[in-house]
Amino acid sequence: NAGVTQTPKFRVLKTGQSMTLLCAQDMNHEYMYWYRQDPGMGLRLIHYSVGEGTTAKGEVPDGYNVSRLKKQNFLLGLESAAPSQTSVYFCASRQYSSTDTQYFGPGTRLTVL
Amino acid sequence: QKEVEQDPGPLSVPEGAIVSLNCTYSNSAFQYFMWYRQYSRKGPELLMYTYSSGNKEDGRFTAQVDKSSKYISLFIRDSQPSDSATYLCAMSAMNSGGSNYKLTFGKGTLLTVNP
Repeated sequence: NAGVTQTPKFRVLKTGQSMTLLCAQDMNHEYMYWYRQDPGMGLRLIHYSVGEGTTAKGEVPDGYNVSRLKKQNFLLGLESAAPSQTSVYFCASRQYSSTDTQYFGPGTRLTVL
Repeated sequence: QKEVEQDPGPLSVPEGAIVSLNCTYSNSAFQYFMWYRQYSRKGPELLMYTYSSGNKEDGRFTAQVDKSSKYISLFIRDSQPSDSATYLCAMSAMNSGGSNYKLTFGKGTLLTVNP
């Protein structure tokens, strides 16, 4: 049981390049989330999904797109990367139960030059 | 006013000290309260979870919730160097659909326990 995994662990992009971050969970969780974490800003929710085929905007969605084609995977896309998107990105998942909480992946460290 | 306020520290204590970490919140709808621990360059991991007022103890850790004051605390007894990490409080409310799927996080407090 690997929990929540994220690919890649590190990435350096040039401004304007695109990339996709992959999150996978093997716990059969309904909900999945993408956060970014910046110094002094804490964790901020980018997008989330409450089930396969559904996505919704979080607190800071601009410049990002997501897809949840399979229940176990949640993809975060940057179509045209900007230096302001330099951050550590965390994926999380949780079960439907109201008393459950979120379980986080190890993070992806992204630098945009 | 931010929904969740947490002193970022940093907080530095000697080994064996009692540590108190706190968060205040403004949304009276919050019902579920969590503490996450995040080691450097790692993802947050759930440390404590409670959904009622009062105290919850787990080993050296005690989570305290005071809903009347909108205040939560995490106490660490006999602190160890391995407790050095960033501690994030998080909370959620039950929405009209009966789900509490979104968490609101504090910004985290950086704790260092010196041997």
